[in-house]
Amino acid sequence: AQKVTQAQTEISVVEKEDVTLDCVYETRDTTYYLFWYKQPPSGELVFLIRRNSFDEQNEISGRYSWNFQKSTSSFNFTITASQVVDSAVYFCALSENSGTYKYIFGTGTRLKVLA
Amino acid sequence: AAGVIQSPRHLIKEKRETATLKCYPIPRHDTVYWYQQGPGQDPQFLISFYEKMQSDKGSIPDRFSAQQFSDYHSELNMSSLELGDSALYFCASSLGDINIQYFGAGTRLSVL
Repeated sequence: AQKVTQAQTEISVVEKEDVTLDCVYETRDTTYYLFWYKQPPSGELVFLIRRNSFDEQNEISGRYSWNFQKSTSSFNFTITASQVVDSAVYFCALSENSGTYKYIFGTGTRLKVLA
Repeated sequence: AAGVIQSPRHLIKEKRETATLKCYPIPRHDTVYWYQQGPGQDPQFLISFYEKMQSDKGSIPDRFSAQQFSDYHSELNMSSLELGDSALYFCASSLGDINIQYFGAGTRLSVL
């Protein structure tokens, strides 16, 4: 069965620190997609990144970077030089190729960046 | 760029009342999804539509129904509301196999 685990419920860091949010997934599909979304206090879900199961290249976008490792079924997200505006709940999600691409979300990690 | 529009943003209902949530997907997106997010929880998939046909169903109560109309907007109808239905309801849309879901701002439903 498919499952996404975000073991870190809440993380607090001081501004300018680096922080890594962990995501571990389970799926029987060989083709699947992984996502990260940000949910700021205002409540909307903001798309950050999509990665398909055949692309293990790490990606960097500004202060954000993602590390995808199929060997450990992990898709971790690192914020470099964190800022107060990064404070939010971050969700990792899995979508399988067999079916309708619905998302299975992890339970989210609340990140608090302190000034 | 146009985003997913949900209305209303906030809704307060009494127990046993009905509620209708509306969703207007991004133009030309062919798939609509509905999710329910309880307080402090992750979003849970309810139902989806592809080209106006129901394509998948999750843990959606029988009291809830949804449809997608000819103009591609979708409505989630909730009857006999219970206190436990209080949640943030998201609609998302996507296009084909690009499979990135873009979410609306959500409708916060409070059942009193």
